Amino acid sequence: EVQLLESGGGLVQPGGSLRLSCAASGFTFDTSGMSWLRQAPGKGLQWLSAISASGDGTYYADSVRGRFTISRDNSKNTLFLQMHSLRAEDTAVYYCAKDLGVIPAAIWGQGTLVTVSS
Amino acid sequence: DIQMTQSPSSLSASVGDTITIICRASQSVDIYLNWYQQKRGKAPELLISSATTLQAGVPSRFTGSGSGTHFTLTVISLQPDDFATYYCQQTYTSPRTFGQGTRIDIK
Repeated sequence: EVQLLESGGGLVQPGGSLRLSCAASGFTFDTSGMSWLRQAPGKGLQWLSAISASGDGTYYADSVRGRFTISRDNSKNTLFLQMHSLRAEDTAVYYCAKDLGVIPAAIWGQGTLVTVSS
Repeated sequence: DIQMTQSPSSLSASVGDTITIICRASQSVDIYLNWYQQKRGKAPELLISSATTLQAGVPSRFTGSGSGTHFTLTVISLQPDDFATYYCQQTYTSPRTFGQGTRIDIK
């Protein structure tokens, strides 16, 4: 069974940094593209970033490019999102998701809450 | 960026009703469109990929259609479990933008 478990969320002050992790199991991690997405409280879904199976290709939404970095450690079956210069508007539940073949973001984790507040 | 617009934003329906949600793209996304269902407090679940392909385990009362810039999600004979929020997402190009969502409430 595919499992994606996000961690690393919490309360951080504006301007601060946080690193999210997504531990993957139940599938061959190094053959799957992965994504990060988020949902602000009471709002819709937002795609943030994606990374290829090998890690060679990375893609970002304009709103986070230059502040967030997606990476992966295929030896540890783990996806990361390093977040810097956090703003109040970054407050959201952050989800990781895996591709299913050519279908992006087919399976999602349960999310981790990031709150940016002083 | 490609803008995705869903309509309606919300609707009230009864068990047994048939409903249709429209998703329009600001430019062609070919058939690269996903539909997700999200229940309150839960992660979204993929219902349909490539505009029309029902995912394994998704009931056949869900149907997707369309290509280019106009897509629809139809649910035939709504069941109690179907009252949720639905999102479309284009996967044609990055950023992979979502529609704003359509919430289906019980009338």
